Amino acid sequence: DQQVKQNSPSLSVQEGRISILNCDYTNSMFDYFLWYKKYPAEGPTFLISISSIKDKNEDGRFTVFLNKSAKHLSLHIVPSQPGDSAVYFCAASRPGGSYIPTFGRGTSLIVHP
Amino acid sequence: KAGVTQTPRYLIKTRGQQVTLSCSPISGHRSVSWYQQTPGQGLQFLFEYFSETQRNKGNFPGRFSGRQFSNSRSEMNVSTLELGDSALYLCASSHEGANVLTFGAGSRLTVL
Repeated sequence: DQQVKQNSPSLSVQEGRISILNCDYTNSMFDYFLWYKKYPAEGPTFLISISSIKDKNEDGRFTVFLNKSAKHLSLHIVPSQPGDSAVYFCAASRPGGSYIPTFGRGTSLIVHP
Repeated sequence: KAGVTQTPRYLIKTRGQQVTLSCSPISGHRSVSWYQQTPGQGLQFLFEYFSETQRNKGNFPGRFSGRQFSNSRSEMNVSTLELGDSALYLCASSHEGANVLTFGAGSRLTVL
């Protein structure tokens, strides 16, 4: 049972435009959400996160939006750059314990020059 | 500060063999987690170690095992390899209670 779903395996965007990556979750106990970016032959690197007490978090070109009632979050990249081409993983964790996150299957973003 | 180091980076084994992968976490990080990444399956959690104790375990068969040493370095072992074990195995470390994981570059295992 997939608790974190990224329903779009891939996304293609033109340089300079907005990239929107979506993520849905089913477990209402999740209270912290993260996005990781992964380039080929490298491990995932942390990009941005959001706590369930917020609905938006911004860091430069990256903004994450959280809609708790819909159990949905999205990552916006504005403007998109060719260097953003990577696989993006959404992750969610529950309070307490060791905060082990549950990951989605990833969305491959390609930004065309 | 050095990142998470995984060795070996690439290896090829045949069915039925066993393999051991190693992970050195960031200095000061006592929690080490292991994930398996296969095409289309995302990152699937294997297990997490803290202070030499397995604290969490994912839904993998008993052929997958691990351990952590007193210096926080960790190893994972897969016995009786199957073709489906071909994957990228990722190790991540973190401070106790931290939400953010720092990943290594992974060990790419191919089973023939």
